[in-house]
Amino acid sequence: NAGVTQTPKFQVLKTGQSMTLQCAQDMNHNSMYWYRQDPGMGLRLIYYSASEGTTDKGEVPDGYNVSRLKKQNFLLGLESAAPSQTSVYFCASSYSISGGVNQPQHFGDGTRLSIL
Amino acid sequence: KNQVEQSPQSLIILEGKNCTLQCNYTVSPFSNLRWYKQDTGRGPVSLTIMTFSENTKSNGRYTATLDADTKQSSLHITASQLSDSASYICVVSSYQAGTALIFGKGTTLSVSS
Repeated sequence: NAGVTQTPKFQVLKTGQSMTLQCAQDMNHNSMYWYRQDPGMGLRLIYYSASEGTTDKGEVPDGYNVSRLKKQNFLLGLESAAPSQTSVYFCASSYSISGGVNQPQHFGDGTRLSIL
Repeated sequence: KNQVEQSPQSLIILEGKNCTLQCNYTVSPFSNLRWYKQDTGRGPVSLTIMTFSENTKSNGRYTATLDADTKQSSLHITASQLSDSASYICVVSSYQAGTALIFGKGTTLSVSS
């Protein structure tokens, strides 16, 4: 059972470079999310997608862009990487976007990104 | 401001012992409370989800409690095992637009032999 798959697992970039983090889920979930996790802080939402073709900003969207062209894929882009974007990035999916629905988010194992 | 506070920040216990992790929240309107386990280098995995009307929910050796009046939750781990060493994250969900999930910073549990 693959669940949520993130690629790459590790990446080192130089300041100013761009890259795309990829996320794929095979659970036919409608909603997908991108979080970042920094030491001493809780998971923070970057962007989310309630359904295929829609995206919305989360708590910390600056410096990122996203794309949800297919239901199973959610891409996170860094246009011009900055050292402050060094973090562990997690993708998650759930059946519904609603926080009122009692179903869990399923997380991938993260992408560890370092910006030099 | 919606917040989720967890305590202690870290905890070390001996294998076989029990422990309790705490979660206090100031989230309104409240929908449900979730506990996740995050192993080192892995993504969080759901342990329990509790709604307003549920006081206790178990998942094997993990038992979560919820007091919606005092806005407190606890996660009790019975007969700890080395594999319980992980970060435990409390997440509170709200009936709001968007995802409305508020994450705590987690409690890091280390179980030693």
